[in-house]
Amino acid sequence: EVQLVESGGGLVQPGRSLRLSCAASGFTFDDYAMHWVRQAPGEGLEWVSGISWNSGGVGYADSVKGRFAISRDNAKKSLYLQMNSLRPEDTALYYCAKVGGNGYVDHFDYWGQGTLVTVSS
Amino acid sequence: QSALTQPASVSGSPGQSITISCTGTSSDVGSYNLVSWYQQHPGKAPKLMIYEGTKRPSGVSSRFSGSKSGNTASLTISGLQAEDEADYYCCSYAGSSTVIFGGGTKLTVL
Repeated sequence: EVQLVESGGGLVQPGRSLRLSCAASGFTFDDYAMHWVRQAPGEGLEWVSGISWNSGGVGYADSVKGRFAISRDNAKKSLYLQMNSLRPEDTALYYCAKVGGNGYVDHFDYWGQGTLVTVSS
Repeated sequence: QSALTQPASVSGSPGQSITISCTGTSSDVGSYNLVSWYQQHPGKAPKLMIYEGTKRPSGVSSRFSGSKSGNTASLTISGLQAEDEADYYCCSYAGSSTVIFGGGTKLTVL
């Protein structure tokens, strides 16, 4: 059974940093690209960042480019999101999502339950 | 990176069919056969319903179907059921390793 478990969320002051993690199991992690998608309270889904299976390709939404960094450790079957210079508008539930298929992004076939990040003073 | 355009809400009675549109541009929906649709119930993670524009994952009801014409993709749900009431999001690859979601559509089953 595929499982994605996010962690690392919490309350953080504006301008500070936070690192999210996503532990994967139930599939061959290093065969698939992975992404982060967030959802602000009461709002829609927003793609944040993605990384190819071998970390050779990464992408970021304009809203986080230059502040967030995605990475993965295939040996540990884990995905990460380093979030720097956090802003109140980064407040959201952050989902880790597995890509179905062999490409960088075809579709997201499995999602975690999310970890909540709240940016407030 | 503007969001794909979806109607904010649609509604239908049990047994009826509804269609949710998703309008993008020639840089995203129109350029790639990589439109997917997700269903999200309150407090739950999104669930994949349609991928590559028209394909249905194993386990998803055949009442759900997808199509695409030009820069607009569509999700059709036939034989509406109470459990279909949820938020629906379209998603497309937008080139340069970026992805874009629609703003979401709230489906109400009357």
